Amino acid sequence: QKEVEQNSGPLSVPEGAIASLNCTYSDRGSQSFFWYRQYSGKSPELIMFIYSNGDKEDGRFTAQLNKASQYVSLLIRDSQPSDSATYLCAVNPGSGNTPLVFGKGTRLSVIA
Amino acid sequence: DVKVTQSSRYLVKRTGEKVFLECVQDMDHENMFWYRQDPGLGLRLIYFSYDVKMKEKGDIPEGYSVSREKKERFSLILESASTNQTSMYLCASRLRKGSNEQYFGPGTRLTVT
Repeated sequence: QKEVEQNSGPLSVPEGAIASLNCTYSDRGSQSFFWYRQYSGKSPELIMFIYSNGDKEDGRFTAQLNKASQYVSLLIRDSQPSDSATYLCAVNPGSGNTPLVFGKGTRLSVIA
Repeated sequence: DVKVTQSSRYLVKRTGEKVFLECVQDMDHENMFWYRQDPGLGLRLIYFSYDVKMKEKGDIPEGYSVSREKKERFSLILESASTNQTSMYLCASRLRKGSNEQYFGPGTRLTVT
């Protein structure tokens, strides 16, 4: 059974701080990794994806991948109250047509 | 700009009714997916389709069927709606190759009474 694990939270950080969200996955052969943001009552929105070991930066977001340790993380710098949402980690355990495996999400609360 | 649309944002149906949920994408994506999302249970895959006229069962296919007659459209059918199918239903699409990014529609909140 392929699994993706996330701490459910809530993770509370003060405005302006760095929020660190973590995710571990069970399938060592996983190829690609995604972070989605989901506001309450809305659908998931893709915010980052990463395929290679190391860091990938996009604005205030940085995705980090360590395939040897089977974890992927998302850092949000200068956190804003508008970042308060549930963040879903998703992993493609294969390639091509394989469905993504989703974690249950971490709820982030940024306190003004 | 990526675009996945779903036929309804909110839907109320009675127990035993046949329900059709429609999803359309304009990105020429091969793969399409139907999920349901419930509090505490996360996203659960109902059915997916690799390409036109192809379908595969996901983790919770019981009580559902799907149809994909055209590449851009993927329909989810509840043959006889039950109260335990009250949920948020999410459609998604994805290119089979390349970046493999998957995009979701806005969701349909279905209530079965």
